[in-house]
Amino acid sequence: DTEVTQTPKHLVMGMTNKKSLKCEQHMGHRAMYWYKQKAKKPPELMFVYSYEKLSINESVPSRFSPECPNSSLLNLHLHALQPEDSALYLCASSHGGDTQYFGPGTRLTVL
Amino acid sequence: TQLLEQSPQFLSIQEGENLTVYCNSSSVFSSLQWYRQEPGEGPVLLVTVVTGGEVKKLKRLTFQFGDARKDSSLHITAAQPGDTGLYLCAGGRAGNMLTFGGGTRLMVKP
Repeated sequence: DTEVTQTPKHLVMGMTNKKSLKCEQHMGHRAMYWYKQKAKKPPELMFVYSYEKLSINESVPSRFSPECPNSSLLNLHLHALQPEDSALYLCASSHGGDTQYFGPGTRLTVL
Repeated sequence: TQLLEQSPQFLSIQEGENLTVYCNSSSVFSSLQWYRQEPGEGPVLLVTVVTGGEVKKLKRLTFQFGDARKDSSLHITAAQPGDTGLYLCAGGRAGNMLTFGGGTRLMVKP
C-alpha cells in the first residue's frame, strides 16, 4: 500500500478565513512533506517533517502553519491567505530514502 | 544549487510514435525518480533508479540512469492517448529532498 490521502479535494476560502488541509499515510513513513504547485510548474517544497519534527521550512510565509500531530498525520493551517496562494497543495511521504509518494492534492482557491 | 534540466518542455505526437524525455544536470544525484501527473491530481511514481547505468522497464516505458548519475531518460514505445500527462523527473539530494525538473507535457493524439 503506497497511499497518501488528502482532504479536502477542493477548498475555496476568503482572505479572512481560517482553514486546514489534512494529509494521512499509514505506510510507516517517517518523513512527510508539503508542496505547493502552480499550473504548469513542478512542485515547490514548503515544509519537511522528520520523525514528527519540523526539519525544513523553505522560507514559507507565516500565514501557512504546518502541524504534525503524530507519525501518520500532517496538517497545514491556513490563515489570511492571498489570492496568489491559490494552487494545488500536495502532501508526500517517504520512508527515509529518496522516493516520495504523493497524495492527490487539495485544489485551493483564495478569493 | 542542484538543477535538473528537463527536455523537451512540450511534446505532441500521434498514437503509435516513440518518444524520449531527458533530464540532465551537472550535479550527481543519489537517485532519480520519474513521476506522471494528470491535471488536478498528485504526481504518481513510475520508477526510482539508484545505480549508475541502471535500466528499468515498465511495459512500454524504459528508464535509464546515466553512468555518472547526472542524467536520466524516459523512453516510451508506441505511445497511446492514455500516456498523455505531465512527466516529472526528480533527483534525490541530501535531507531526503528532491530537486524537480521543469516537467514535460506530453500529448498523444489518437
